[in-house]
Amino acid sequence: SQTIHQWPATLVQPVGSPLSLECTVEGTSNPNLYWYRQAAGRGLQLLFYSVGIGQISSEVPQNLSASRPQDRQFILSSKKLLLSDSGFYLCAWSVGGSVNTEAFFGQGTRLTVV
Amino acid sequence: GESVGLHLPTLSVQEGDNSIINCAYSNSASDYFIWYKQESGKGPQFIIDIRSNMDKRQGQRVTVLLNKTVKHLSLQIAATQPGDSAVYFCAENIWGAQKLVFGQGTRLTINP
Repeated sequence: SQTIHQWPATLVQPVGSPLSLECTVEGTSNPNLYWYRQAAGRGLQLLFYSVGIGQISSEVPQNLSASRPQDRQFILSSKKLLLSDSGFYLCAWSVGGSVNTEAFFGQGTRLTVV
Repeated sequence: GESVGLHLPTLSVQEGDNSIINCAYSNSASDYFIWYKQESGKGPQFIIDIRSNMDKRQGQRVTVLLNKTVKHLSLQIAATQPGDSAVYFCAENIWGAQKLVFGQGTRLTINP
């Protein structure tokens, strides 16, 4: 069966520090991978998605970047965090090559920038 | 489209009653829709989906209705239980794109 791992679960970082959140998927090949952000009490905003290694699509201009160094690994990064980067970050995957398929979510990382 | 900057609307229902959660989508090219349930501090979980060639789909205690004419989606939950309290999101998959775009979400509270 497929599983998705996202870590860490919580993170407190100072303003100006770098960020690296990692997400890995097991049990499937060539998945579509996604990073979403959710502010407290708000909806989910799609940040990045990837349909293959090295292929990243950015949905909104921001202080973040994403990379996919391996087929089932998706990394969210920042060189210098801002207070506005605080939020709940969710990684998700869906079956690659299919446009009508659900996305499966990780448990999320709650990031607080102080 | 996305309304991620807005506070979530809320819906309170008595336990045992039926609830209806609504969602409007903006892209007429969307051809696949999903309802997700998100409990506090967790990632969203799949509830039910519907493709654009259907107008109704039923699951266990849940029914999704799709009205493509007015670009409206609804989730009906029958005989609500305390465990149904959560935030519910609709999501759309735009035809030809391999990504899900989420709607605003609704916070459902089940009162005992």
